[in-house]
Amino acid sequence: EAGVAQSPRYKIIEKRQSVAFWCNPISGHATLYWYQQILGQGPKLLIQFQNNGVVDDSQLPKDRFSAERLKGVDSTLKIQPAKLEDSAVYLCASSSLTENSPLHFGNGTRLTVT
Amino acid sequence: KQEVTQIPAALSVPEGENLVLNCSFTDSAIYNLQWFRQDPGKGLTSLLLIQSSQREQTSGRLNASLDKSSGRSTLYIAASQPGDSATYLCAVPSGNTPLVFGKGTRLSVIA
Repeated sequence: EAGVAQSPRYKIIEKRQSVAFWCNPISGHATLYWYQQILGQGPKLLIQFQNNGVVDDSQLPKDRFSAERLKGVDSTLKIQPAKLEDSAVYLCASSSLTENSPLHFGNGTRLTVT
Repeated sequence: KQEVTQIPAALSVPEGENLVLNCSFTDSAIYNLQWFRQDPGKGLTSLLLIQSSQREQTSGRLNASLDKSSGRSTLYIAASQPGDSATYLCAVPSGNTPLVFGKGTRLSVIA
């Protein structure tokens, strides 16, 4: 099966600019997650979708971050305006609705804010 | 709030050695625990998922154990190879959060 696809792989922007990341989950996976991984840390959940509804966005900095999954398939994560501390790898993951099913991760987008 | 700690933070071993990576978590009310591998510049690859009713899972040279009551898990790698060099992450669910991760153990296997 095809894995989780993310683009772009790398992005360099200046602070106060905006940026968007795209994710296409594994076909048939109803649940989609966005994680932020700062260098030297484990990934931290930003937002979780089930189909096109938000399950948990309690750790999403909503003043600058937004995410959508309009048709319940692919998703975009946007940062506007970016800050230096947003430099990180942004990982997308998906899973099926089966109880205790494992998460499958994409290769991530590495964002550098200068 | 669930907190996950991994020890050691980094480990360097010669090829062929058996090694153990440790993971501890503060809230033992979990329904599974997952070990991941992360290569530089890559995403996470799931290695093993242990259900709360299980005590261990094996895949090839990897064996993961789970002691829920004490809040601990170990990942045992037998006969290590240079290709095993990567960062190994442990993760558990917490409340509505599907996975809370440790900071990982960075493993280097020297040929």
